[in-house]
Amino acid sequence: EADIYQTPRYLVIGTGKKITLECSQTMGHDKMYWYQQDPGMELHLIHYSYGVNSTEKGDLSSESTVSRIRTEHFPLTLESARPSHTSQYLCASSEQGQGEFNQPQHFGDGTRLSIL
Amino acid sequence: KNQVEQSPQSLIILEGKNCTLQCNYTVSPFSNLRWYKQDTGRGPVSLTIMTFSENTKSNGRYTATLDADTKQSSLHITASQLSDSASYICVVSDRGSTLGRLYFGRGTQLTVWP
Repeated sequence: EADIYQTPRYLVIGTGKKITLECSQTMGHDKMYWYQQDPGMELHLIHYSYGVNSTEKGDLSSESTVSRIRTEHFPLTLESARPSHTSQYLCASSEQGQGEFNQPQHFGDGTRLSIL
Repeated sequence: KNQVEQSPQSLIILEGKNCTLQCNYTVSPFSNLRWYKQDTGRGPVSLTIMTFSENTKSNGRYTATLDADTKQSSLHITASQLSDSASYICVVSDRGSTLGRLYFGRGTQLTVWP
């Protein structure tokens, strides 16, 4: 079973606050990802990382930022939260393999974020 | 445009019955296709992954098929259980770029009633 953890599971916070969503994995995976998922909709990639000190923007434009200082840790930060940021945020990781995304991705259980 | 379409959007079946979920895709060039199960409030969990050369793969009561010529896949669930109630997501990866993008379907919401 994959070991990837996200905290907090739920967060309700006011507009304008700075938020950091935590994601940690204990599998030693080099690749990590952040997705955004709204109810009944597909997952959208917002950030990914090939390894330490590597971060890239995904397909969906996001006002969030990420960092990758350690292999196991990939936090996502919103400097000033807005109601439009209300969504579920899922973190994932995968092993290096032939082809960038050819290895199965292991997901955390997500953070459900509500901005009032 | 690369897309993944799943049907039906939702499905209700009785415990013990079988069901089949469909996935049609236009992603090209194709690399692999995955099925994930996502329980409510949880992250997706990988069920199967199939490459171009594979046309069927099983994981317990779950059997996925792939027809790369017609760009269709199905997920068959045998002898359904209450714990099968979840969203089932079809994900297709391309190999047309160095990145190898993942394209997600919106999922089929399966409900199993006792």
